[in-house]
Amino acid sequence: AQSVTQPDIHITVSEGASLELRCNYSYGATPYLFWYVQSPGQGLQLLLKYFSGDTLVQGIKGFEAEFKRSQSSFNLRKPSVHWSDAAEYFCAVGAAGGGADGLTFGKGTHLIIQP
Amino acid sequence: DAGVIQSPRHEVTEMGQEVTLRCKPISGHNSLFWYRQTMMRGLELLIYFNNNVPIDDSGMPEDRFSAKMPNASFSTLKIQPSEPRDSAVYFCASSQGNQPQHFGDGTRLSIL
Repeated sequence: AQSVTQPDIHITVSEGASLELRCNYSYGATPYLFWYVQSPGQGLQLLLKYFSGDTLVQGIKGFEAEFKRSQSSFNLRKPSVHWSDAAEYFCAVGAAGGGADGLTFGKGTHLIIQP
Repeated sequence: DAGVIQSPRHEVTEMGQEVTLRCKPISGHNSLFWYRQTMMRGLELLIYFNNNVPIDDSGMPEDRFSAKMPNASFSTLKIQPSEPRDSAVYFCASSQGNQPQHFGDGTRLSIL
């Protein structure tokens, strides 16, 4: 069975500092990987996805993520965070159908931005 | 373009009552998903449909839960009878082909 681990429940970063959110997955084949962001009272918004090809993927809002098969990781990064980045971030893995199959989500990382 | 539309946004009802959550997927999307979010268990897939046909309902917690998709533009998730432990935020999502899923804003359900 597939699973996703986000080891950090909370992360606090100063505004303007760099950010890295960790994600490790367990899946038997080549996974489809996603990062979503959730603001309070809102649904989930897709930041970026990895299906195949270049292992460094660019997303919206200046985020990027790198797929490392050897480490079963898909960490999310941003060089300089803004106060508006404060939210809950979810890593998810899907099966061969990409978005056509149900996703397995990590428990999320709550990002706090210090002024 | 309209996104995934869920109704109601909030529902408060008493234990034992029937609850019906509604979802309108994005037009043209052929897959629809129901998820539940709680503090304890995070986001869990309940059931999903491809071309209106239920594909995997293994995440549906009990027989009290049922979901239907009578046509490409509408789905319901029903809980009967409801219990306090069903309190959660329920999300609907839709996708086209293997493209990423788009989520609605969710229904916050409270069972008293």
